[in-house]
Amino acid sequence: KQEVTQIPAALSVPEGENLVLNCSFTDSAIYNLQWFRQDPGKGLTSLLLIQSSQREQTSGRLNASLDKSSGRSTLYIAASQPGDSATYLCAVRPVNLGSGTYKYIFGTGTRLKVLA
Amino acid sequence: DVKVTQSSRYLVKRTGEKVFLECVQDMDHENMFWYRQDPGLGLRLIYFSYDVKMKEKGDIPEGYSVSREKKERFSLILESASTNQTSMYLCASSSDRRWGAGELFFGEGSRLTVL
Repeated sequence: KQEVTQIPAALSVPEGENLVLNCSFTDSAIYNLQWFRQDPGKGLTSLLLIQSSQREQTSGRLNASLDKSSGRSTLYIAASQPGDSATYLCAVRPVNLGSGTYKYIFGTGTRLKVLA
Repeated sequence: DVKVTQSSRYLVKRTGEKVFLECVQDMDHENMFWYRQDPGLGLRLIYFSYDVKMKEKGDIPEGYSVSREKKERFSLILESASTNQTSMYLCASSSDRRWGAGELFFGEGSRLTVL
């Protein structure tokens, strides 16, 4: 059974610091991995999607990598800003037979606080 | 840009009431999902639909039903609301037919309180 873990659960950093958020999954048979941002009381905003054949994706100050063999993904945030404060979640879409292929498995998130 | 719109951001209902949560997406996505999110439990899948009139149970379907009469609209129904259904409800959609296949897009969420 696929499980997704995000450690640490919470992180505080000073403004301007480069930081890495981690996402681990137990089964390497995945279609893709997606990173999201969630602000308090809001829905999830898609940040980056990495297909299983890709190693990384970049968008602005964000870079996400994927290593299926080790079951790991990292989200790198460069030059962090107070506006980056949010909860960051990762989700994998496992390769499954039947209707299970539509499911996404989510981590519980890392709550990031960037201090001004 | 993909837009997933949930009809109500905040609702307050009484125990036993029938509750409808509506979700509309404007990108012709074939897949739509309903999740609930609770502190300490993360996101849990209630139901999903991969086509019009098609539905599949997720991990916690008890106490809920869904309707998908049109491709763009996916409704979540609480037949008789109970206090343990107080939660944040999130609708999402995705498509497997174009680049970025499988990318999941979420609405803003509906915070339901059952008294």
